[in-house]
Amino acid sequence: GAVVSQHPSRVICKSGTSVKIECRSLDFQATTMFWYRQFPKQSLMLMATSNEGSKATYEQGVEKDKFLINHASLTLSTLTVTSAHPEDSSFYICSAARGPNTEAFFGQGTRLTVV
Amino acid sequence: EDQVTQSPEALRLQEGESSSLNCSYTVSGLRGLFWYRQDPGKGPEFLFTLYSAGEEKEKERLKATLTKKESFLHITAPKPEDSATYLCAVTGRGSTLGRLYFGRGTQLTVWP
Repeated sequence: GAVVSQHPSRVICKSGTSVKIECRSLDFQATTMFWYRQFPKQSLMLMATSNEGSKATYEQGVEKDKFLINHASLTLSTLTVTSAHPEDSSFYICSAARGPNTEAFFGQGTRLTVV
Repeated sequence: EDQVTQSPEALRLQEGESSSLNCSYTVSGLRGLFWYRQDPGKGPEFLFTLYSAGEEKEKERLKATLTKKESFLHITAPKPEDSATYLCAVTGRGSTLGRLYFGRGTQLTVWP
């Protein structure tokens, strides 16, 4: 199989605080992981691509200092939303791929609510 | 710029009533077109990958086809459990296969 797990599935944080979301590939090694954001009734928007052991590549318009991505191992990538504000409230979804020429599989998503 | 447009936005079908969902795309060299199913509050579930015009893939009641400009997801004799949002995504030449640009999806409701 190709199982990708995100944690937590839901999180509520206070405005101004930081929150970390984990994305793990459970039964395969992922050289590449992707982070998406989805607003209600909108499409998934790619935020960044992370490769194990190197800096993430951010899409145009995504603030890299606000959305910190770390891909420290072949099974774990983290997204940290720093100094969160209510407008950061969204559904964050990760995906993981064995390599650049293989399909990516998605986690179950994390619902972030900033109050 | 890569673009993906899905239609209709929403579709209601009676159980057993077959139909098709459309995905029109503009990409600088298609590397792959993907169909996913997404249930409320969940991540996308992979259905199909299509790589070249003329290709077709089937899985149970679903069949995906691809032309040079669009893809169709045909649903034959749907059941209520097929109710979900169906997402289409593309990746262009030169990109890693998992780097996807998504359409807004078609919300399918199948009623008994």
